[in-house]
Amino acid sequence: DTGVSQDPRHKITKRGQNVTFRCDPISEHNRLYWYRQTLGQGPEFLTYFQNEAQLEKSRLLSDRFSAERPKGSFSTLEIQRTEQGDSAMYLCASSLQRDSGGYTFGSGTRLTVV
Amino acid sequence: DAKTTQPPSMDCAEGRAANLPCNHSTISGNEYVYWYRQIHSQGPQYIIHGLKNNETNEMASLIITEDRKSSTLILPHATLRDTAVYYCIVQGYGNKLVFGAGTILRVKS
Repeated sequence: DTGVSQDPRHKITKRGQNVTFRCDPISEHNRLYWYRQTLGQGPEFLTYFQNEAQLEKSRLLSDRFSAERPKGSFSTLEIQRTEQGDSAMYLCASSLQRDSGGYTFGSGTRLTVV
Repeated sequence: DAKTTQPPSMDCAEGRAANLPCNHSTISGNEYVYWYRQIHSQGPQYIIHGLKNNETNEMASLIITEDRKSSTLILPHATLRDTAVYYCIVQGYGNKLVFGAGTILRVKS
């Protein structure tokens, strides 16, 4: 297990299309987080899961966004009817609930909506 | 909102120590200080964290003032590969990370 994997690394889509991203966390990590980052800004929290339960969602997560972690392992983030403002880097991270240690982030999925 | 204040940018000469300051005057007793860095086009990388005591690992040292209102991340011998955005984050145990704008560290030869 080499870390957090995200797929795809890059996605270009036309406005109005739906896109789905996948995150595979470190296997023993029970917490999984999604963040969004635009150019020149720090990552912004979107949502997080503890096992399969989605425990918190940011107000940034509009109705067009949905995230799942069906078996408490990998997670998907779907954006419906994409808009140009959705263009960003989408980052996934995982951690252990019982550990004060840091998150491990993936390399992210860069979404460009044209 | 982020609970920390960092300078927007700093320069450091290659081979010298890089000292990155962070103010967190409203930190509460059960909150940790975390440092991450982000190299261009990659995800953030955990560096170090601490509660009250100074901490050291293979990457860096973290110095936390006695009143816990500020801290300094020290990279003892900066290299060009340490050029990155460095984020200082105050986080309660089990809470999510809230990132600010960070400090852009430029290491120059």
